[in-house]
Amino acid sequence: KQEVTQIPAALSVPEGENLVLNCSFTDSAIYNLQWFRQDPGKGLTSLLLIQSSQREQTSGRLNASLDKSSGRSTLYIAASQPGDSATYLCAVRGSGGYQKVTFGTGTKLQVIP
Amino acid sequence: DTGVSQNPRHKITKRGQNVTFRCDPISEHNRLYWYRQTLGQGPEFLTYFQNEAQLEKSRLLSDRFSAERPKGSFSTLEIQRTEQGDSAMYLCASSFGEGEAFFGQGTRLTVV
Repeated sequence: KQEVTQIPAALSVPEGENLVLNCSFTDSAIYNLQWFRQDPGKGLTSLLLIQSSQREQTSGRLNASLDKSSGRSTLYIAASQPGDSATYLCAVRGSGGYQKVTFGTGTKLQVIP
Repeated sequence: DTGVSQNPRHKITKRGQNVTFRCDPISEHNRLYWYRQTLGQGPEFLTYFQNEAQLEKSRLLSDRFSAERPKGSFSTLEIQRTEQGDSAMYLCASSFGEGEAFFGQGTRLTVV
């Protein structure tokens, strides 16, 4: 059974800092990994999708890396802004057979102006 | 296409009542997923459709829960005889094959 862990559970940083969010998973047989953002009481917004054959993906100030063999992914946020404050979730899609997405419990980020 | 749409956005119901939620996926997406999220937790998988076929159900989906996707387009999730423990955000997502999953805004259920 796939288990996804995100550390830290919460993070508070001053505006302008670069930061890294971590995601680890127990079963390396994955199809892809996706990072989401969730604002309080809202649904999920997809940020980046990394296929299992890829090492990283970039979108604007966001960069996500994937090391499948070690079961780890990181989300790097450059020059953080107060608008980045949200909960960040990583989700792993398994490979083989019927596929579902397993989520981590998220990292709650607060960027202080 | 404006993305995945879920209705209603909020539902308050009395314990023991039945509720039904609807999800309209992105039109060309053949896969549709239902998740449940409680406060402070990540979403938990409930069930998954490929076209109209329900291919997987979580053990979280008790006999009181049923989901359908009759024509391979929209889907409904029904909860019968609701309990207070059913209070959660119910999220729907869709994808084309194993591609990127897009989520709706969710339906927040409160059972009183």
